[in-house]
Amino acid sequence: EAGVTQFPSHSVIEKGQTVTLRCDPISGHDNLYWYRRVMGKEIKFLLHFVKESKQDESGMPNNRFLAERTGGTYSTLKVQPAELEDSGVYFCASSQGLGQLNTEAFFGQGTRLTVV
Amino acid sequence: GNSVTQMEGPVTLSEEAFLTINCTYTATGYPSLFWYVQYPGEGLQLLLKATKADDKGSNKGFEATYRKETTSFHLEKGSVQVSDSAVYFCALSETAAGNKLTFGGGTRVLVKP
Repeated sequence: EAGVTQFPSHSVIEKGQTVTLRCDPISGHDNLYWYRRVMGKEIKFLLHFVKESKQDESGMPNNRFLAERTGGTYSTLKVQPAELEDSGVYFCASSQGLGQLNTEAFFGQGTRLTVV
Repeated sequence: GNSVTQMEGPVTLSEEAFLTINCTYTATGYPSLFWYVQYPGEGLQLLLKATKADDKGSNKGFEATYRKETTSFHLEKGSVQVSDSAVYFCALSETAAGNKLTFGGGTRVLVKP
């Protein structure tokens, strides 16, 4: 069974441009999470989907970030316009069910975004 | 809010040495605790977890015990190998918060032959 897949693995864009990151979760996983690690600091939560609905978007830094999850399957995270401080590694994770104690989250390999 | 603090790296060890990575946490409720590992060029993988006080998580020779009295979850391995070179992240989650993870800053471990 395929794991969590993220595209692209690397992206280098200029300040002011738009970038869209994609995450394909494990099939059947209702929960999808986005996280990012900036400049070697801690990995921070961005948002949480349950199926196609945003359950928690408290970690989204500002309105330049837009996340969607079409039909409760794959998710995209768009940054528009990108700023230098958006550089970092963006991780996606998925897990089964909701309200289950400690259901394991499976992570993708991450997308390394560099804004120049 | 919740937070996780872990020792900063890098930690450089010789093969067969003993490894300890300290992790302490602050949480509003009753969290579950995790150690994730990121090997070079790979994504995050769950290494071990503990769901309640005094639970011990173990995997691949690594162990960590959930200590509620000291709010700690220190990671230990008695004899490291070169293949253990990676970045280790301590994390917590709460079911009431949608199981989102709160991570520490990560500790890079380098094991030399």
